[in-house]
Amino acid sequence: AQSVAQPEDQVNVAEGNPLTVKCTYSVSGNPYLFWYVQYPNRGLQFLLKYITGDNLVKGSYGFEAEFNKSQTSFHLKKPSALVSDSALYFCAVRDSMFSGGYNKLIFGAGTRLAVHP
Amino acid sequence: EPEVTQTPSHQVTQMGQEVILRCVPISNHLYFYWYRQILGQKVEFLVSFYNNEISEKSEIFDDQFSVERPDGSNFTLKIRSTKLEDSAMYFCASSDWGHEQYFGPGTRLTVT
Repeated sequence: AQSVAQPEDQVNVAEGNPLTVKCTYSVSGNPYLFWYVQYPNRGLQFLLKYITGDNLVKGSYGFEAEFNKSQTSFHLKKPSALVSDSALYFCAVRDSMFSGGYNKLIFGAGTRLAVHP
Repeated sequence: EPEVTQTPSHQVTQMGQEVILRCVPISNHLYFYWYRQILGQKVEFLVSFYNNEISEKSEIFDDQFSVERPDGSNFTLKIRSTKLEDSAMYFCASSDWGHEQYFGPGTRLTVT
């Protein structure tokens, strides 16, 4: 069964410091991995994805994520956090084993990122 | 930039009433989805829709739920007889041949 784990409910970081939001996954085939961000009273906003290729993927707003197949992880990172990055972050996985573009996303529970001035 | 839109933003209904949540996906997208997020919980898949039929549905998507694409632009989720536990934020999403799904701002459904 597919699953995603985000082990931290909340991550606190000082503005200007690097941040990491952790995600591990479990799928049957090769994973398609995604990060989304949710601001208060807003929908989910796509940040970045890993499908294949380079293990380090770059996304919106200076975020990047590192795919590690041996550790089944896809941690979200940013070199220098901003107060405006404070939001709820969701990791999601789609199993590539099943063909078709309509496969559902399985989401983690979310990690609240709080960036302090 | 094109985006998914949803109406209404907030719907309050009484238990047992029917509700229809509406979505306008991104115009050239082919795949459509509904997800829900109960307050404080994770985002859960409800249903996917492609080529005018349901592709996959979750256990949550029972006979009380239905989806429809009544014209070339709208995608609706109907709950026939709402229950208290249907209170949640409902998100519509769409995607093209790529892999990422684009989400609307959500409809907050409150069942009293």
